[in-house]
Amino acid sequence: GQNIDQPTEMTATEGAIVQINCTYQTSGFNGLFWYQQHAGEAPTFLSYNVLDGLEEKGRFSSFLSRSKGYSYLLLKELQMKDSASYLCAAYGNNRLAFGKGNQVVVIP
Amino acid sequence: GAVVSQHPSRVICKSGTSVKIECRSLDFQATTMFWYRQFPKQSLMLMATSNEGSKATYEQGVEKDKFLINHASLTLSTLTVTSAHPEDSSFYICSAREAAEGTDTQYFGPGTRLTVL
Repeated sequence: GQNIDQPTEMTATEGAIVQINCTYQTSGFNGLFWYQQHAGEAPTFLSYNVLDGLEEKGRFSSFLSRSKGYSYLLLKELQMKDSASYLCAAYGNNRLAFGKGNQVVVIP
Repeated sequence: GAVVSQHPSRVICKSGTSVKIECRSLDFQATTMFWYRQFPKQSLMLMATSNEGSKATYEQGVEKDKFLINHASLTLSTLTVTSAHPEDSSFYICSAREAAEGTDTQYFGPGTRLTVL
């Protein structure tokens, strides 16, 4: 079975750092994805982790601990355009299971 | 990155009609495409996995006779919502997996917002 858990909403100031956590329980786990979704739009790919550790990609970094079933997405130097929902998705048994998403609101 | 298109982006129809949604991978071949549905403030829910040249695999609770999927080529999959009803109103999103990349990354189309009156 698959169970993905994310906190629902957070507010942060422009220029700040935000960490979004995700825990998962996934059969046949084979990778953890993070997507960004603006209201009314489809998700866009941000990052992929399959091995333990931190993957850095510009202002966004993603971390995975397979033994703990845990990942986080780190957003640095927040910009107003980063206001969106951030979805984690665990890949297992040839399918992606999405969490409900964490709504990040960036304020000036 | 890989580009996936969807058409139409928005459709409003009367109850009882059928609606076809197209999903295309524009710059890569996708042996596998996925169809999701997302209700407001909810997670993306996988409806079915579409495999080129074979029958789609439907998730539990999704009626295969109501949601017809055809994956006729390596760049096109279609979802037909037959005899649509107001409860079928939702945001339908397809994704395509770029197998050549080796990471099983799914790239999403822009979505189709279906409103059934």
